[in-house]
Amino acid sequence: EAGVTQFPSHSVIEKGQTVTLRCDPISGHDNLYWYRRVMGKEIKFLLHFVKESKQDESGMPNNRFLAERTGGTYSTLKVQPAELEDSGVYFCASSPGVEQYFGPGTRLTVT
Amino acid sequence: AQTVTQSQPEMSVQEAETVTLSCTYDTSESDYYLFWYKQPPSRQMILVIRQEAYKQQNATENRFSVNFQKAAKSFSLKISDSQLGDAAMYFCAYRKLGNTGKLIFGQGTTLQVKP
Repeated sequence: EAGVTQFPSHSVIEKGQTVTLRCDPISGHDNLYWYRRVMGKEIKFLLHFVKESKQDESGMPNNRFLAERTGGTYSTLKVQPAELEDSGVYFCASSPGVEQYFGPGTRLTVT
Repeated sequence: AQTVTQSQPEMSVQEAETVTLSCTYDTSESDYYLFWYKQPPSRQMILVIRQEAYKQQNATENRFSVNFQKAAKSFSLKISDSQLGDAAMYFCAYRKLGNTGKLIFGQGTTLQVKP
């Protein structure tokens, strides 16, 4: 069974540009989470989808971040416009219940 | 708000020896989950072990075991017979009880295993 996949693995963009990160969860997992780790700090929650609905978006830093989950399958996280402080590793996790299974992350560098 | 603290940024252990990674947390909840995740270099994070707070027995998974002290809000991870493949960053995480919910992570501990 395929695990959680994320694309791209690494993205380098300039300040002010737009970037879209994608996450494909494990098939059948209704729960999808986005987390972020900025340099040297702890991993922080961004938001949680149950199927296509946003269950909890309390961790989204501001309105430059937009997350969607089309038809309850894959999810995208768009940052527009990107700022320097958005640099970090963005993790996606999916879950059928208690345990969360993580993807490899997307390393975003904003220059 | 719940918080998780890992006070050891780096640890090292000799191959075949035992090492303990520390984690403390703060919560006003009486029931919750605690996890240890492992992230090897350039690889994705995987779950090592999980503990339900309502269970008094400490969780064990092969060479990995926890020392869960609920009153002290402490959740340490013991790795026995350390292997080179155990080298990774280890994250302690907390989650409220229930079927879904966000994880709250500690800062992580980088474990080096020396041959």
